[in-house]
Amino acid sequence: KAGVTQTPRYLIKTRGQQVTLSCSPISGHRSVSWYQQTPGQGLQFLFEYFSETQRNKGNFPGRFSGRQFSNSRSEMNVSTLELGDSALYLCASSSDTEAFFGQGTRLTVV
Amino acid sequence: AQSVTQPDIHITVSEGASLELRCNYSYGATPYLFWYVQSPGQGLQLLLKYFSGDTLVQGIKGFEAEFKRSQSSFNLRKPSVHWSDAAEYFCAARSGGSYIPTFGRGTSLIVHP
Repeated sequence: KAGVTQTPRYLIKTRGQQVTLSCSPISGHRSVSWYQQTPGQGLQFLFEYFSETQRNKGNFPGRFSGRQFSNSRSEMNVSTLELGDSALYLCASSSDTEAFFGQGTRLTVV
Repeated sequence: AQSVTQPDIHITVSEGASLELRCNYSYGATPYLFWYVQSPGQGLQLLLKYFSGDTLVQGIKGFEAEFKRSQSSFNLRKPSVHWSDAAEYFCAARSGGSYIPTFGRGTSLIVHP
């Protein structure tokens, strides 16, 4: 059974640019969640998509957005990047009982 | 508000010594409970989970955790630590009606040879 796949693994962007990250969940999972992980703030919940609908949202500015496609693959987008957006972005694919995480995308904003 | 607390930011143990990582939760009803491990630059791997039943849960890599309702705790233990266990450990909880776990801040485990 394939795990959660996140692409790309590493990304370097300049302030003001935008970025799109991708997550392919485990087959059959309809819930995909996104987290931002930084040394200072720990794991912070961004949003959750379920069957192409945003079902839950964390406390992040509108520059952070996402979507989910009919095959459950999800993308998150960050516009007008700031230095503080540098982080490890983790995607989780969830069943009724547990969440499985991808390897993450390391975003560095310079 | 629902929360998960890991009181220890760092724990240092010698290889071969026993380990206990603490986790306390604050939820209205007993939540589902999880322990994850994260190696540097990697995602989170599930070590074990507790939903109901036997309060002592066995996980992968020789880890176990004990649920104590009276203390609202779910502490992770390992009888003999290996150098490869050095990593960040996260306790998480979620209510039955949600797919979104709440994570603790994590405990960094350092293993001395």
